[in-house]
Amino acid sequence: DIQMTQSPASLSASLGETVTIECRASEDIYNGLAWYQQKPGKSPQLLIYNANSLHTGVPSRFSGSGSGTQYSLKINSLQSEDVASYFCQQYYDYLYTFGAGTKLELK
Amino acid sequence: EVQLVETGGGLVQPGRSLKLSCVASGFTFSSYWMYWIRQAPGKGLEWVSSINTDGGSTYYPDSVKGRFTISRDNAENTVYLQMNSLRSEDTATYYCAKDGDYGYGDYWGQGVMVTVSS
Repeated sequence: DIQMTQSPASLSASLGETVTIECRASEDIYNGLAWYQQKPGKSPQLLIYNANSLHTGVPSRFSGSGSGTQYSLKINSLQSEDVASYFCQQYYDYLYTFGAGTKLELK
Repeated sequence: EVQLVETGGGLVQPGRSLKLSCVASGFTFSSYWMYWIRQAPGKGLEWVSSINTDGGSTYYPDSVKGRFTISRDNAENTVYLQMNSLRSEDTATYYCAKDGDYGYGDYWGQGVMVTVSS
């Protein structure tokens, strides 16, 4: 199975700041990567697919990049509503796997 | 508007069975793969099963293979998860999700809680 190593596990940032979350795959996943946001008590919501494509309705301050085994999610100009946990998921291999998650809090 | 509504959760004893249902609306159900994903309390996400459009192909991780069975009824716009030989480590919120294109969930249900305990 492909292992996904996500970092950091937690992150504290100020309003307006730029935040970056990373995911490393144990082998090349050829951009088969999605990012999800999960607010407390809610179900996950898709942010990014195919490593860098923004899902419908997602604010443009969210962006994804990367290739091969290294991927990142960037949040520009952090807003209070961005406080949440974020998860990456690879779907290059049909045995899908998730990163352990990053909990984003306001400083 | 895409809607996914899961039902069937609850408290069950170890070794017993439970069947979850997910009713879909707002899209052509028979055209999309469907997924079940779970989340243990305070933990991360774990993919549990996938099913293709006609139900002829299914996939599971080793943690549930041989115990869980995913199926679908395209006439009823419903995907199911039959869970047998339940263990305490199966305790989680179970989400169904619609495939976005090739392996990611673009819409998720609200989730249903399954607690395995004596």
